[in-house]
Amino acid sequence: GAGVSQSPSNKVTEKGKDVELRCDPISGHTALYWYRQSLGQGLEFLIYFQGNSAPDKSGLPSDRFSAERTGGSVSTLTIQRTQQEDSAVYLCASSQSRRQGFYNEQFFGPGTRLTVL
Amino acid sequence: KNEVEQSPQNLTAQEGEFITINCSYSVGISALHWLQQHPGGGIVSLFMLSSGKKKHGRLIATINIQEKHSSLHITASHPRDSAVYICAVEGVWGGATNKLIFGTGTLLAVQP
Repeated sequence: GAGVSQSPSNKVTEKGKDVELRCDPISGHTALYWYRQSLGQGLEFLIYFQGNSAPDKSGLPSDRFSAERTGGSVSTLTIQRTQQEDSAVYLCASSQSRRQGFYNEQFFGPGTRLTVL
Repeated sequence: KNEVEQSPQNLTAQEGEFITINCSYSVGISALHWLQQHPGGGIVSLFMLSSGKKKHGRLIATINIQEKHSSLHITASHPRDSAVYICAVEGVWGGATNKLIFGTGTLLAVQP
């Protein structure tokens, strides 16, 4: 079946503009994660959804970042008033279940490369 | 100190060599993941393990929970194994999440 998809694949924007990044998880996956991979840095967690709820937003770097998920499926990550330090690859992943002790392999999307000029 | 440490950061090997990448972590975990990222490519999950050892083809992953250490081994390495290998832990974060915390990755180059 189809994997995790993200759009756009690349986004170039000007400093101060708002951007929306979209993630379509694997059908039936209840858990969805957003991560960020900055140049020269490792992957870092941003936010986790279980269904439409976000019980863990601890990785969002500032209040300019927000995310929502609707219908237990598609998620949108919004960055307001973008800054140059927001430039990174934004990755989405989904998994079947969040229950610890259960199979929880995360399937990653191809990412959105965001460049803020 | 990072919660997840990997070594080495960079590794160059000759085709056919046996390769080991190490991962140490400092938090309680429910599972440890090994991921692969090819240059310009997406991330693929190689292993998820919480104890013992797993094997897929030429790849072997082991974990020692008591020592908080995991290793990824590649037997008979091939140039197509060249990639970044990332260790990530799924912690016991109080039950609200199973986010991953990542190591900084090991860049492997296998030369023909």
